[in-house]
Amino acid sequence: GENVEQHPSTLSVQEGDSAVIKCTYSDSASNYFPWYKQELGKGPQLIIDIRSNVGEKKDQRIAVTLNKTAKHFSLHITETQPEDSAVYFCAATSGDYKLSFGAGTTVTVRA
Amino acid sequence: GEEVAQTPKHLVRGEGQKAKLYCAPIKGHSYVFWYQQVLKNEFKFLISFQNENVFDETGMPKERFSAKCLPNSPCSLEIQATKLEDSAVYFCASSPRGDTGELFFGEGSRLTVL
Repeated sequence: GENVEQHPSTLSVQEGDSAVIKCTYSDSASNYFPWYKQELGKGPQLIIDIRSNVGEKKDQRIAVTLNKTAKHFSLHITETQPEDSAVYFCAATSGDYKLSFGAGTTVTVRA
Repeated sequence: GEEVAQTPKHLVRGEGQKAKLYCAPIKGHSYVFWYQQVLKNEFKFLISFQNENVFDETGMPKERFSAKCLPNSPCSLEIQATKLEDSAVYFCASSPRGDTGELFFGEGSRLTVL
């Protein structure tokens, strides 16, 4: 099955700085890569996703890049704000109707 | 509804007791997924449904876990004879199309087994 590794496990950034989270996957058939944000006591919320036919996608302060050859993808958050503090999860699926999640990154934005 | 609704939010059971969790998917979504989140972060896939049919149950500990999605009723996840290691947050998610991975999650049900 798919194995997704996520780094770093924790990330502390100064407000206004950028945050980058990286993930690698093992199954070359994986074709859909979502990123979820989970706040304390809440369920994961989809913030951005990318499919294997695209190399980069951007939505305001959030961007995701995908390198299919190297089998890794990254989340970039620019101009971080305190409300960006949360746990972020990457995931991958090969269209087998289930997601494999990374272990999560706890992001803390310092005011 | 517009959100995945899970009940109860919290459930406490003594070891060996039964636990039952419920999930109402977003209206119009035909796929339902159950995930178990342990140790605060790790997500484990349990089971998925396409309408009322089991689609993938490869993650289910079959000897004690069972799940159903019946027409016109909330989906349910039941654990017979709970064990301490079943303590986790159980998330339900629904999707309009199972193959895209676009899951919409509920807020979870926290099960504590004492």
